[in-house]
Amino acid sequence: EAQVTQNPRYLITVTGKKLTVTCSQNMNHEYMSWYRQDPGLGLRQIYYSMNVEVTDKGDVPEGYKVSRKEKRNFPLILESPSPNQTSLYFCASSFSRNQPQHFGDGTRLSIL
Amino acid sequence: KQEVTQIPAALSVPEGENLVLNCSFTDSAIYNLQWFRQDPGKGLTSLLLIQSSQREQTSGRLNASLDKSSGRSTLYIAASQPGDSATYLCAIISGTYKYIFGTGTRLKVLA
Repeated sequence: EAQVTQNPRYLITVTGKKLTVTCSQNMNHEYMSWYRQDPGLGLRQIYYSMNVEVTDKGDVPEGYKVSRKEKRNFPLILESPSPNQTSLYFCASSFSRNQPQHFGDGTRLSIL
Repeated sequence: KQEVTQIPAALSVPEGENLVLNCSFTDSAIYNLQWFRQDPGKGLTSLLLIQSSQREQTSGRLNASLDKSSGRSTLYIAASQPGDSATYLCAIISGTYKYIFGTGTRLKVLA
């Protein structure tokens, strides 16, 4: 089944404790992206990747890191999480910007 | 800076009604526009993608139009059903790979 898989789905952690949210897709998509969704602010793009080893900043990259060492994986790294990074996070992928994005089911992060 | 607005924020209609959801954007230099639906607790599902050279796209009971010059897109849903209840989001894609989303319209179709 074609899908985008995010792990974990839920995480409660504390300020400053490094964490990684994994994202994997099985559709051989070149484009992958991370978003955060906050009430009243909608979805905002954090980082995106056009292909292996090619990444760029979205609108809200501060406090996040990404890497794209393999085509199927695009992890989101929070080196020193802070409470303002509490949010619902989505990973998405597509063949190109002319093709629809496929979204994962989301990761709800709470940082105390 | 590109801004995407969706009005209304919420809409409640009786089953069977035809309805129109609106999406407006401030910069007409877009690459394409996508409409998504989001069900509670779920990710987004792509409904329609309109490339900047196109005027509309159709899928089943859904029809999306794009007018770049006026900075507007509409999503038309024919013969609405309770299963159409969800939040509908539009997103524009710029010349790079940046996506900018509207804040969505929460639709409730009453049986």
